[in-house]
Amino acid sequence: QKEVEQNSGPLSVPEGAIASLNCTYSDRGSQSFFWYRQYSGKSPELIMFIYSNGDKEDGRFTAQLNKASQYVSLLIRDSQPSDSATYLCAALGSTLGRLYFGRGTQLTVWP
Amino acid sequence: ETGVTQTPRHLVMGMTNKKSLKCEQHLGHNAMYWYKQSAKKPLELMFVYNFKEQTENNSVPSRFSPECPNSSHLFLHLHTLQPEDSALYLCASSQDRRGASGNTIYFGEGSWLTVV
Repeated sequence: QKEVEQNSGPLSVPEGAIASLNCTYSDRGSQSFFWYRQYSGKSPELIMFIYSNGDKEDGRFTAQLNKASQYVSLLIRDSQPSDSATYLCAALGSTLGRLYFGRGTQLTVWP
Repeated sequence: ETGVTQTPRHLVMGMTNKKSLKCEQHLGHNAMYWYKQSAKKPLELMFVYNFKEQTENNSVPSRFSPECPNSSHLFLHLHTLQPEDSALYLCASSQDRRGASGNTIYFGEGSWLTVV
């Protein structure tokens, strides 16, 4: 059973703060990891993916991957109220090549 | 606009009805998917099609019947559903080739289904 675990939150941060979202995965063979954002009533949209250990930055977003610890995180710098959404972590399965999703972490950024 | 279009966006159906969800992708992708999203549960992969051939059926009840006439179109036929089948049904597509970018999934806006 391939599992992706996320803290369901809710996570609440003030505007301008750094929001930190965490994710662990069980399939040691997974090589690629994805972060999606889902606004209430909408479908998930891709923020970024990462497949190398270390950090990957894209604007205010930084994904971090530690394969030894089977841990992925997403940092959102200078959080804005428009970042309030549910963030889904997904791992690319090693055997079937399919994405396995966590339950998502609900983030609220208050002004 | 993600390039994946789903209709209808909202559907209310009785347990004895037959209805269909439709999905079309304009991205030139090879793989198409149906996911189910229920409250407080992870996204559940239901069906996968590669080049219009079904490659996965994740133990989905037969009251859900997928159809993929070509690589751009995907249907989910619904028959004698139960109230617990009420959920957001998401269609998605990907290039389905090696690597992270090739396996990135792009979702449609979803079809909200309510079974009464």
